[in-house]
Amino acid sequence: KQEVTQIPAALSVPEGENLVLNCSFTDSAIYNLQWFRQDPGKGLTSLLLIQSSQREQTSGRLNASLDKSSGRSTLYIAASQPGDSATYLCAVASLWGNKLTFGTGTQLKVEL
Amino acid sequence: NAGVTQTPKFQVLKTGQSMTLQCAQDMNHEYMSWYRQDPGMGLRLIHYSVGAGITDQGEVPNGYNVSRSTTEDFPLRLLSAAPSQTSVYFCASIQGQGYETQYFGPGTRLLVL
Repeated sequence: KQEVTQIPAALSVPEGENLVLNCSFTDSAIYNLQWFRQDPGKGLTSLLLIQSSQREQTSGRLNASLDKSSGRSTLYIAASQPGDSATYLCAVASLWGNKLTFGTGTQLKVEL
Repeated sequence: NAGVTQTPKFQVLKTGQSMTLQCAQDMNHEYMSWYRQDPGMGLRLIHYSVGAGITDQGEVPNGYNVSRSTTEDFPLRLLSAAPSQTSVYFCASIQGQGYETQYFGPGTRLLVL
């Protein structure tokens, strides 16, 4: 059974810092890995999707990497802003591509 | 495009009552799914559907029923609500077999007393 772990569970940083969120998974037989953002009381917004054959994806100040063999992914946020405050979730898709297993998330707070 | 919509946004039920959570998408996606989100446990898959007329169980299906009579709609039915079903429920849809991102609805907050 796939298990996804995210460390740390919570993180507080001053504005402008670069930061890294970690995600690890136990079964490397995945189709893809996605990073989501969730604001309080809201749904999930997809940030980045990395196919199993890819090593990284970038979108603006966000960069996600994937090391499938070691079961790890990182989400790098450059020059953090207060608007980045949210919970970040990673999820891995099974080989059938349509079943997601989620981590419990990292709650990020970027302070002025 | 409205994307994925869910109704109601919030519901309070008494133990033993039944209800249906509605989910609709206007993107002509074949694949739809229901998740529940509980504190400290992340999102867990309840049921999913790969197309009209086809449904299957996810990780935590007990106490829930689904049907998929059209591509657009994927309702989730609670047969006899229990306090353990207090949660936030999310519906999601995807075009294909994981090649693209999943789109999530805004969620339904359910409280069972």
